[in-house]
Amino acid sequence: QVHLVESGGGLVNPGGSLRLSCAASGFTFSDYYMTWIRQAPGKGLEWLSYISNSGRIISYADSVKGRLTVSRDNAKKSLHLQMYSLRADDTAVYYCARVESGSSSYYFDHWGQGTLVSVSS
Amino acid sequence: SYVLTQPPSVSVAPGETARITCGGDNIGSSTVHWYQQKPGQAPVLVIYYDSDRPSGIPDRFSGSNSGNTATLTISGVEAGDEADYYCQVWDSSSDQVFGTGTKVTVL
Repeated sequence: QVHLVESGGGLVNPGGSLRLSCAASGFTFSDYYMTWIRQAPGKGLEWLSYISNSGRIISYADSVKGRLTVSRDNAKKSLHLQMYSLRADDTAVYYCARVESGSSSYYFDHWGQGTLVSVSS
Repeated sequence: SYVLTQPPSVSVAPGETARITCGGDNIGSSTVHWYQQKPGQAPVLVIYYDSDRPSGIPDRFSGSNSGNTATLTISGVEAGDEADYYCQVWDSSSDQVFGTGTKVTVL
């Protein structure tokens, strides 16, 4: 079955950088768009970015544009999120999810368990 | 940016029906998806394309979407349905948007 496992979270100083990874299994990774979504403590879900199956199409939320870089390695079935200039309000659980897309919409049919990023000095 | 508004909380007795709304400007012209998130767990898709259920989701969960409001309906609510619920749409200007979330409490 579909399995997504995030890694790379931890404690980082303000202004620092962090690289998150998501290992995929149980499906043909190269066939699917993938996405990153985060959730600050006690808050709602915030979509961050998606990347097409080939990696050629990428989109970011305006709130994080310029501070995040999403990438993927289809041979290794892995998704990555490079985060820069981290701030306290970037503290959150970061989820990767598989994207199902149709002619009119996208939705997220499988999610990982998330990895916690804490930004604090 | 596109905003999706949900009531912060909905309370329902076991066996009754819970209705969770998701309000947005002309949301009926978009397709809406719904997620359930239990404490300490990742979200789970419960409804996609307004009213379709993924495999494994009970038919107690249903959805509708018209005008400025989409609705997730949970019939015959059970204790295990207690969770946060989020709607989500794709908007041409904001890309992916989540609703503010609704906490469902089973009394």
